[in-house]
This record gives sequence, C-alpha cells and structure tokens, in this order.
Amino acid sequence: AQTVTQSQPEMSVQEAETVTLSCTYDTSENNYYLFWYKQPPSRQMILVIRQEAYKQQNATENRFSVNFQKAAKSFSLKISDSQLGDTAMYFCAFMKLGNNNDMRFGAGTRLTVKP
Amino acid sequence: NAGVTQTPKFQVLKTGQSMTLQCAQDMNHEYMSWYRQDPGMGLRLIHYSVGAGITDQGEVPNGYNVSRSTTEDFPLRLLSAAPSQTSVYFCASTQRGWGNTGELFFGEGSRLTVL
Repeated sequence: AQTVTQSQPEMSVQEAETVTLSCTYDTSENNYYLFWYKQPPSRQMILVIRQEAYKQQNATENRFSVNFQKAAKSFSLKISDSQLGDTAMYFCAFMKLGNNNDMRFGAGTRLTVKP
Repeated sequence: NAGVTQTPKFQVLKTGQSMTLQCAQDMNHEYMSWYRQDPGMGLRLIHYSVGAGITDQGEVPNGYNVSRSTTEDFPLRLLSAAPSQTSVYFCASTQRGWGNTGELFFGEGSRLTVL
C-alpha cells in the first residue's frame, strides 16, 4: 500500500517570505500523480498543484511550485511571497494510475502566515 | 456551480443511532468516494465507487455501508454509531478514463459527533 508522510505538523512564515513544506511517499508504482491540497478554516479542500510522475519538469502555479524528486520519492511544496490567505492546512496526496482513483493523503502541515 | 453537495453539514448522534450522510455530484463523474478526517491523521478512505452498482472498501470501512444506485448519488450509512466515528466526513468525485486529471473534487464536509 502507498503511504504519504508529512514530517512537519506545523510551520510558520512571515508575510512576503518563502516557505517549503516537505512530503515523502512510498510506492512501488511507476505511474502516478502527486498533489498538494489546501484546507483553509472554511474546511473546503482546494487543489493547489498537481504533478504527473512521468514528467521531469516541476509543476508551477503562480506563487506555488514543487520540487519533485522521483528517485528519492520526495515532493515538496514551495510557497513564494507568502500571503495571509495562505494560512491553512496543507495536505500532500498520492494517486496511482489505474482502474480506481484511490487517493492517499499525508497527515497534513498547518501553515501560519504571520503579518 | 453545485459540484459536490453533502448534507447535513453538522450532526450530533447518540451511540447506537443510525444515520445517512448524503452526497450528490452534478459533474457526471464515475468515481465517488468517502473520506474521514481526524486530527493528525489526514484524510483516510472509507469506501469508494467506480460507477453505478459498483462499490469497494478503502482503508477504514468498518462500521460504514455505501451503495451507488445512480451516477449522481453516493450515500454513506452508519448503522450503529460509535464515539470512534466522531469525525469530519468528506465526499469526493472525479472523472475516470480519458480526460482524467486525477484531481478529486470535494464536498464541504460534514462534522459528525457521536455522544
């Protein structure tokens, strides 16, 4: 079974600075997706960024980028120019390609952006 | 844009009572799933369905039943609620096959408390 590990339960960053959230995963699969989801206090799960394992190029979405190291099974999220609205729980998730869309999540990192 | 709709948003039960969490999606997604979210444990998969008439167990299925009579609806039933089922429950859906980006679309969550 696939497992996803987020080793940082809580992190904080000053507004406008850069922060990196860590994620590692364990799988024997070769084809899969990786995701970062954001959960603000509203509880809604919001997709931040997505990476296909077959792509070597790291995904970017505006201020959000990832460092995908397939051999090391590492998938970190970098948030640049942090904003107060980035305060949320962040979940790393893994989904293997196949007949179902079984997505597995890490335990989450609570990020606080300080003014 | 309705997306994934869950009801109720909040529910308090007594031990041994039964209830059904409703989930409906209007995106014609074949895949639907239920997760529970507990502090420090992320989201864990309870049950999932890859189409009408097909359901399967996830990581933590005990104490829960599901059915999928239509593409749109995927209710989660608690037959005899226990305090260990106190949690926040999320329904999610995604497209399968061609065009599947892997992204799960989530409902707003249902907070269940079992006394």
